[in-house]
Amino acid sequence: NAGVTQTPKFQVLKTGQSMTLQCAQDMNHNSMYWYRQDPGMGLRLIYYSASEGTTDKGEVPNGYNVSRLNKREFSLRLESAAPSQTSVYFCASSESGFRGETQYFGPGTRLLVL
Amino acid sequence: DAKTTQPPSMDCAEGRAANLPCNHSTISGNEYVYWYRQIHSQGPQYIIHGLKNNETNEMASLIITEDRKSSTLILPHATLRDTAVYYCIVRVSNSGYSTLTFGKGTMLLVSP
Repeated sequence: NAGVTQTPKFQVLKTGQSMTLQCAQDMNHNSMYWYRQDPGMGLRLIYYSASEGTTDKGEVPNGYNVSRLNKREFSLRLESAAPSQTSVYFCASSESGFRGETQYFGPGTRLLVL
Repeated sequence: DAKTTQPPSMDCAEGRAANLPCNHSTISGNEYVYWYRQIHSQGPQYIIHGLKNNETNEMASLIITEDRKSSTLILPHATLRDTAVYYCIVRVSNSGYSTLTFGKGTMLLVSP
């Protein structure tokens, strides 16, 4: 039982390049989330997926797209990376998102955009 | 969801109790208090949550005041590995879907 896994761990991009961050969970959770964390800041929600087949914008969705590929996997895509997207990206999952149950976080992907 | 206020940093000696305060004066009756922590470079980790009664688990205790306007997370015997940023979050838990809103938290430094 690995919990929430994220790939890659580190990535360096040039401005304008695209990439997809992958996230998978093996806890049979319905809800999944993508957050970003900038130095000295708390986590900010980018997108979430309440259940398979649905996605919704969070606090800072601009410049990102997401895909809930199946119940296990939730990917985050940067179509044209910008230096402002340099950050640490965390994926999380929870059983349903209702009734405030616990979210479980992955180890993060560190992205540098030059 | 109600906003929370936490001190930016606190110190604690190893082996002593760490008491981390959180103010949530605008909390509503159906909002729970959650605590997460984030050890450097890792993803956030759930610690404990409660509605109005005090709660205890293997990691910590949560004391919520009777008027629910503030709470305290207690790590009874802090170790060096408890050095982390601690986030207090209030969240509606019984009316539809909601997500976590993380503030800046409290940086707890446990020293030998």
